[in-house]
Amino acid sequence: DAGVTQSPTHLIKTRGQHVTLRCSPISGHKSVSWYQQVLGQGPQFIFQYYEKEERGRGNFPDRFSARQFPNYSSELNVNALLLGDSALYLCASSSAGGLEQYFGPGTRLTVT
Amino acid sequence: GNSVTQMEGPVTLSEEAFLTINCTYTATGYPSLFWYVQYPGEGLQLLLKATKADDKGSNKGFEATYRKETTSFHLEKGSVQVSDSAVYFCALRKEDSNYQLIWGAGTKLIIKP
Repeated sequence: DAGVTQSPTHLIKTRGQHVTLRCSPISGHKSVSWYQQVLGQGPQFIFQYYEKEERGRGNFPDRFSARQFPNYSSELNVNALLLGDSALYLCASSSAGGLEQYFGPGTRLTVT
Repeated sequence: GNSVTQMEGPVTLSEEAFLTINCTYTATGYPSLFWYVQYPGEGLQLLLKATKADDKGSNKGFEATYRKETTSFHLEKGSVQVSDSAVYFCALRKEDSNYQLIWGAGTKLIIKP
């Protein structure tokens, strides 16, 4: 079975631009979470979606938004990019009520 | 608030040495505790977990015991290998959480042959 997939793998953007990152969860998983991992630090929680509804939001500005589609895939959008948004963006999926989260390989975003 | 504190790295050991990576947490109630591993160039992988006090999680020779009295979840392995070189993250999920994980900063482990 395929694991969590994310696209693109790498991305380079300029300050002020907008970016969309995509995630496909493991088949059968209805919950998707997004994390930001700055180099040398642990991941920081951004969003969690379950059954297409936002169930949790971390301490991130409104420039960050996300949505989940009927097939449970998800997009993370970041507007007005700042240099500080450069990070590895991780997507994780879990089954309903599941304790474990399964992570994708991440999207490396570089803002110049 | 809820937080996880890990020992700073890098931790450098020789092959077959005993490993301990310390992790302590702050949380109300009874969180679930996890160790994740991130190999170079790869994503995060769940290594082991424990959901209640005195539970011992184990996998691939690694162990960690959920100690409520000391709010700790230290990672141990009796004999490390070069292939264990990676970054190890301790994390907690709050009792009432909607899947949100709270992470430590990670500890880089370097094993020399």
